[in-house]
Amino acid sequence: GQNIDQPTEMTATEGAIVQINCTYQTSGFNGLFWYQQHAGEAPTFLSYNVLDGLEEKGRFSSFLSRSKGYSYLLLKELQMKDSASYLCAVPSYSGAGSYQLTFGKGTKLSVIP
Amino acid sequence: GAVVSQHPSRVICKSGTSVKIECRSLDFQATTMFWYRQFPKQSLMLMATSNEGSKATYEQGVEKDKFLINHASLTLSTLTVTSAHPEDSSFYICSAIPGQGGHNEQFFGPGTRLTVL
Repeated sequence: GQNIDQPTEMTATEGAIVQINCTYQTSGFNGLFWYQQHAGEAPTFLSYNVLDGLEEKGRFSSFLSRSKGYSYLLLKELQMKDSASYLCAVPSYSGAGSYQLTFGKGTKLSVIP
Repeated sequence: GAVVSQHPSRVICKSGTSVKIECRSLDFQATTMFWYRQFPKQSLMLMATSNEGSKATYEQGVEKDKFLINHASLTLSTLTVTSAHPEDSSFYICSAIPGQGGHNEQFFGPGTRLTVL
């Protein structure tokens, strides 16, 4: 089965840097996703990591360590619009070949002036 | 990027009625679509995987006779909540994967907020 753990809430100041951690246990590893979800809206894709290391994409970067079962999302130069929930998710395949995403409970980030 | 739409975006219904939610992939074909449910302050919970031309695969604890899924074409999947009750009030979100599936990016619809009175 899949188990994903991330902090429930975080607060950071506009212009600062924040790191949102995610630890996971999976029966098989097929990569890790990060999604952003604003209240009342559907999630939007941020990143997908399958190899160890840091992948940078503008203000957002995502890091993965497969040996540690650990990932983090790094947000730089925080803006008020970055206030949202950030979801860590891992895909898995069943024996029958079906595919699904298991989401963590999400980290609600509040950016304050 | 790929776009997924849902209709309606918001629906209020009386207890005991049925509600149909549509999920469409607008600019791509999707063999597989997913239906999620999200209660307030909780994460997305996968309800079922919808496969075009075959029966949906339901997650444990999800009643297939209550949540009817029809994936009649490569661009449309529908979720019907039958005999809805207040505890079914939730945010229902669909997603789709372009092409034949795999662990690629899922594109999410904007969600449907269901309120059952």
